[in-house]
Amino acid sequence: GENVEQHPSTLSVQEGDSAVIKCTYSDSASNYFPWYKQELGKGPQLIIDIRSNVGEKKDQRIAVTLNKTAKHFSLHITETQPEDSAVYFCAATTLNGANNLFFGTGTRLTVIP
Amino acid sequence: GAGVSQTPSNKVTEKGKYVELRCDPISGHTALYWYRQSLGQGPEFLIYFQGTGAADDSGLPNDRFFAVRPEGSVSTLKIQRTERGDSAVYLCASSKTALDGYTFGSGTRLTVV
Repeated sequence: GENVEQHPSTLSVQEGDSAVIKCTYSDSASNYFPWYKQELGKGPQLIIDIRSNVGEKKDQRIAVTLNKTAKHFSLHITETQPEDSAVYFCAATTLNGANNLFFGTGTRLTVIP
Repeated sequence: GAGVSQTPSNKVTEKGKYVELRCDPISGHTALYWYRQSLGQGPEFLIYFQGTGAADDSGLPNDRFFAVRPEGSVSTLKIQRTERGDSAVYLCASSKTALDGYTFGSGTRLTVV
C-alpha cells in the first residue's frame, strides 16, 4: 500500500514569511495529491490539490509542486498570516482506483505575529 | 446540505456498549468515506461507499465495526462491544464522483470509558 511521509512535524514562521511543507509517497500509481488544513475541533479542510498530469498549481498565496520522478510534493504558503496557523496534512491516492486517501502525519504551523 | 454533517459531535460511552455514528453527505455526492483520527495523527481510512455499496472496506479494523448506506445518501458507522482503544475522532467525507476530491465533516469525537 501507499506510504506518505511528511516533514517537518512542526514549523514556526514570522508573519509575512513563507512556509514550506514537504511530503514523499511510495506508490507510483498515486495520481491525486490533496492538502488539508485542520483547525482545532474541526475536520480537515481541502485547501489545494494537484493531479499527476501537472507539476505545479497555484491559488493566491498557496502553491503545490509535484515531482513524479522523485515521488515528492510540497506545499508553499507565501505572505503567511496568523490565521494560517493550523495543522496541515498532505495525502495521496489513486482516484478511481483505491480512492482511499493515505495521509501524512501532519505539520503544525505557527505563524508568529 | 451545504456541507457534510456528522452527528453526534461528541459521544461518551461505556466499554462494551454499542454506538452508532451518523453522516449526512453533501446532496448529490455519490462517494462517501469514513476515516478515524487519533490524537496527533493523520486520518486513517476505514471504508468507502460508492452509492449504496461498500466499494472498499479494507480499513475496518475488525468485525466489531460495520457501516451501511442503505439509500445511497446517509451513512451510519456502527461499533459493537466498544473498547477504550476505539476512542478517536471519526470523520466522514463525501465527493461528487470517485474522480473528485472530497469534503470532510467536523467529525464525531468518540470516548470509550
